[in-house]
Amino acid sequence: AQSVTQLDSQVPVFEEAPVELRCNYSSSVSVYLFWYVQYPNQGLQLLLKYLSGSTLVESINGFEAEFNKSQTSFHLRKPSVHISDTAEYFCAVTVNSGGYQKVTFGTGTKLQVIP
Amino acid sequence: EAGVAQSPRYKIIEKRQSVAFWCNPISGHATLYWYQQILGQGPKLLIQFQNNGVVDDSQLPKDRFSAERLKGVDSTLKIQPAKLEDSAVYLCASSLSNQPQHFGDGTRLSIL
Repeated sequence: AQSVTQLDSQVPVFEEAPVELRCNYSSSVSVYLFWYVQYPNQGLQLLLKYLSGSTLVESINGFEAEFNKSQTSFHLRKPSVHISDTAEYFCAVTVNSGGYQKVTFGTGTKLQVIP
Repeated sequence: EAGVAQSPRYKIIEKRQSVAFWCNPISGHATLYWYQQILGQGPKLLIQFQNNGVVDDSQLPKDRFSAERLKGVDSTLKIQPAKLEDSAVYLCASSLSNQPQHFGDGTRLSIL
């Protein structure tokens, strides 16, 4: 069975500073990796995904994540955060199992951007 | 495209009462998921449908929770009877095969 670990439950960071949210996974088969963002009282929204190809993936709002197979990591980074980035971020791993995709979410990291 | 629709947004009931949630996925999405998200935790999969068949309900408390997806489109999740520990946000999501999930805004359930 696969698992996802987000070690940091909360990450405070000053506005315009860089940030890294860590995600490690374990799986015995090939995986697809995702980062979702959740704003208060809303569902999860896809931030970025790794399905195949280039190991560095980027979102439209300046976030990027790099798939590192040897370290089984998919850390999320942004060089300069904004107040509007304050939200909870979830890493997820998907594997194909018995003809359907099985999704496992991490426990989430709350990013708090300080003015 | 229209997103995943869920109703109601909020529900308050007393313990031992029954409650039902409704979800209408994005048109054409064969896979539908119900998640339970307890405050401060990540989403926990309750049940996953592929069209109108169940592919994973291993974490569904079947003594009190039930779900159906008639005709392979919209779905309902029911709790009967509710317990205090069922207080959570219930999220519905849908997806195409091997593609990211699209989530609804969820139903926030409070048990008194």
